[in-house]
Amino acid sequence: GESVGLHLPTLSVQEGDNSIINCAYSNSASDYFIWYKQESGKGPQFIIDIRSNMDKRQGQRVTVLLNKTVKHLSLQIAATQPGDSAVYFCAEIGPGGKLIFGQGTELSVKP
Amino acid sequence: AAGVIQSPRHLIKEKRETATLKCYPIPRHDTVYWYQQGPGQDPQFLISFYEKMQSDKGSIPDRFSAQQFSDYHSELNMSSLELGDSALYFCASSSRKEGYYGYTFGSGTRLTVV
Repeated sequence: GESVGLHLPTLSVQEGDNSIINCAYSNSASDYFIWYKQESGKGPQFIIDIRSNMDKRQGQRVTVLLNKTVKHLSLQIAATQPGDSAVYFCAEIGPGGKLIFGQGTELSVKP
Repeated sequence: AAGVIQSPRHLIKEKRETATLKCYPIPRHDTVYWYQQGPGQDPQFLISFYEKMQSDKGSIPDRFSAQQFSDYHSELNMSSLELGDSALYFCASSSRKEGYYGYTFGSGTRLTVV
């Protein structure tokens, strides 16, 4: 029969506002984390990464925060633009380098 | 900058047919990964190769096989295709020697089984 995809959590923001996307990871021993942006029908696009010896890293308009105590990552996007609309995934590097993805969040930016 | 190249971009096959997907990793990357992504789902790891040797295996059906060649490109072979194999298939590459820095995905192959 027809497969039905999972319903992703959605974050809706106004253009120009800041966005915060949260993610929980599973393995306390993970030492490398990556945020990806995925537009419909395209491959995951690297946004920013962080190693476990850091708790914050900034890029252009994006900041990643890592809280190892509660195994939580967040991605902050400043001055969100319509082009930021996409699904965002956090991922931790697992054994052998395979990525273990957290649940994606669909960001919708209203002009 | 060179990216991960996948071909074909789209593929339509009938049930029980065979499909071959190709991946060309970023030059100097030593590890290649294959992922499968269903609608509304996160990518699921299938298999990986480090320096042309299989290094890890995930939820890859026995009907699927993969290999990495001497030029580091990789192919995912899928036989006896089923309707449920319809998905996006991504290849990614990274540098394991450099702590997996530069973990990059290709644009994917959309496989439709009819």
